[in-house]
Amino acid sequence: AIRMTQSPSSLSASTGDRVTITCRASQGISSYLAWYQQKPGKAPKLLIYAASTLQSGVPSRFSGSGSGTDFTLTISCLQSEDFATYYCQQYYSYPITFGQGTRLEIK
Amino acid sequence: QVQLQESGPGLVKPSETLSLTCAVSGYSISSGYYWGWIRQPPGKGLEWIGSIYHSGSTYYNPSLKSRVTISVDTSKNQFSLKLSSVTAADTAVYYCARLRVIRDAFDIWGQGTMVTVSS
Repeated sequence: AIRMTQSPSSLSASTGDRVTITCRASQGISSYLAWYQQKPGKAPKLLIYAASTLQSGVPSRFSGSGSGTDFTLTISCLQSEDFATYYCQQYYSYPITFGQGTRLEIK
Repeated sequence: QVQLQESGPGLVKPSETLSLTCAVSGYSISSGYYWGWIRQPPGKGLEWIGSIYHSGSTYYNPSLKSRVTISVDTSKNQFSLKLSSVTAADTAVYYCARLRVIRDAFDIWGQGTMVTVSS
């Protein structure tokens, strides 16, 4: 199985900050990567798929980049509603695997 | 719009079989797409369990394959998960979700249902 490793595991930031979360795959996955946002007690929400395509309805302050093994999720100007846990997921090959998550907290 | 809703017992005894159903509204399963199950133990990350195509083709996580069965009932517009021989390690929130094609992100999720394995 392809292992997905996110860094950092947790991150403190302030409203208005620009933050970047990294996801690394244990082998090349082309652009078959998605990013999700999860708030406590809620289901994950798809933000980005195909590494850089914004899901319909997701604010443009979210962006994704990368291909192969290294990927990033960037939030350009943090809003209060962005404080949550973020997961990457590869769907290049089965079994589908997720990163361990990055918890974004208010500084 | 498409909505998914999980249902099933919230408490299952060790060694028994966990059974959950995901009802789909706003879309006919027989029209296509893939449907999946993902779980999340309390305070932990996400684990893909398996996926099914509307025709019945299935894909399982090897770590769970010997205990998992996913099926689809197009007449009821729902799909189901059975996980046998459960232990406390199977305690988790179970989500159902949709994939548009076999290699895809999960674009629509159910709200999730908590299942506790305990005697």
